[in-house]
Amino acid sequence: DVKVTQSSRYLVKRTGEKVFLECVQDMDHENMFWYRQDPGLGLRLIYFSYDVKMKEKGDIPEGYSVSREKKERFSLILESASTNQTSMYLCASSFIIGTGEPGANVLTFGAGSRLTVL
Amino acid sequence: QKEVEQNSGPLSVPEGAIASLNCTYSDRGSQSFFWYRQYSGKSPELIMFIYSNGDKEDGRFTAQLNKASQYVSLLIRDSQPSDSATYLCAAGINDYKLSFGAGTTVTVRA
Repeated sequence: DVKVTQSSRYLVKRTGEKVFLECVQDMDHENMFWYRQDPGLGLRLIYFSYDVKMKEKGDIPEGYSVSREKKERFSLILESASTNQTSMYLCASSFIIGTGEPGANVLTFGAGSRLTVL
Repeated sequence: QKEVEQNSGPLSVPEGAIASLNCTYSDRGSQSFFWYRQYSGKSPELIMFIYSNGDKEDGRFTAQLNKASQYVSLLIRDSQPSDSATYLCAAGINDYKLSFGAGTTVTVRA
């Protein structure tokens, strides 16, 4: 069974702390993503990576950074956590459907990391 | 304006009925469309995707796409209590970026 594994299910941190969220996938997918999910706002893309050491900003990258040193691992870093970063963080990986159709991107999500910043 | 809009619900349907979920998107460049299901406390899982105008059926689920109206829908036939979840609509802007709606919560009454 394919898996995207997030290292921490629940975290509680204090304002100003540095936070690392780790994600590992075992599907040999090229693409990896970090989303945050908030009630009423849905899933919002923070960063994504389409290759090792490559990263691209999503819709809400401010206050976050990422690292992808190995294909299977994608880390989200909060350099100085703030209370407005309290959220559910979802990692995902994807492959491109090779059907000849226009760009398709089927995401497999991890279980999520619920971060509370006090 | 959000890129993908969904009615938040909740949508309550009796067991065995058809649940109809709607989604509109603003970017005419969107090329692929996805429906994900998310149970409470769980992560989203793909139900189906659609690229071409018209209907696509997969078991009890039918996705409908109308690019001229920028409209995607999901029909759940013979709704079961196990279908109670939040359904997320997503539009694919390019090979990497998906824009998600906020989701529609469905409750199937036994």
